[in-house]
Amino acid sequence: DAGVIQSPRHEVTEMGQEVTLRCKPISGHDYLFWYRQTMMRGLELLIYFNNNVPIDDSGMPEDRFSAKMPNASFSTLKIQPSEPRDSAVYFCASSFFLPTSGGTTDTQYFGPGTRLTVL
Amino acid sequence: SQKIEQNSEALNIQEGKTATLTCNYTNYSPAYLQWYRQDPGRGPVFLLLIRENEKEKRKERLKVTFDTTLKQSLFHITASQPADSATYLCALDAGNTPLVFGKGTRLSVIA
Repeated sequence: DAGVIQSPRHEVTEMGQEVTLRCKPISGHDYLFWYRQTMMRGLELLIYFNNNVPIDDSGMPEDRFSAKMPNASFSTLKIQPSEPRDSAVYFCASSFFLPTSGGTTDTQYFGPGTRLTVL
Repeated sequence: SQKIEQNSEALNIQEGKTATLTCNYTNYSPAYLQWYRQDPGRGPVFLLLIRENEKEKRKERLKVTFDTTLKQSLFHITASQPADSATYLCALDAGNTPLVFGKGTRLSVIA
């Protein structure tokens, strides 16, 4: 398997523009996660899906952020309009099972990330 | 909310020595804790998982301990090598939500 695939790897855009990040999870994984990583805040969970259904989007910073998963092999994270403070590395990860207390555990497999710069 | 602290942002050690990284947490008793490695420009990669009823787990030159009384996990790399230089993240189960990650410790092994 090629692992989790993300595109683009780098994105430079101007404030106010729409940005769309893409992710292809590992085949067979039923959970997909979107993270944002910055030096100040570390790795933050934005939203996660189970079987293509959004489960928790409480980490999405604002209404400017939206995510979709139209099928098991594709997800997008969209920022509209983008702002300079959105500059970060965005990671997509997938897993078989949701890690929960006392339950079945698994590890998350991360993509290479998209480095977003908003000027 | 769950809070995770990794002892320092950066740690420098000499090649051949043992590197020890610390992960402390508050406000919860996780069922397990995971450690990941992240290289520059790449996503985190899973290394080890330890459960609350396990005191210690080893994998080659890596050793993880989990002290639920102290609410602390220690991550050791013995006979460290320059290739071990990376950022190491701890992550723990916070109940009915996905993993919560620490900010990481950047390890530099100096030849």
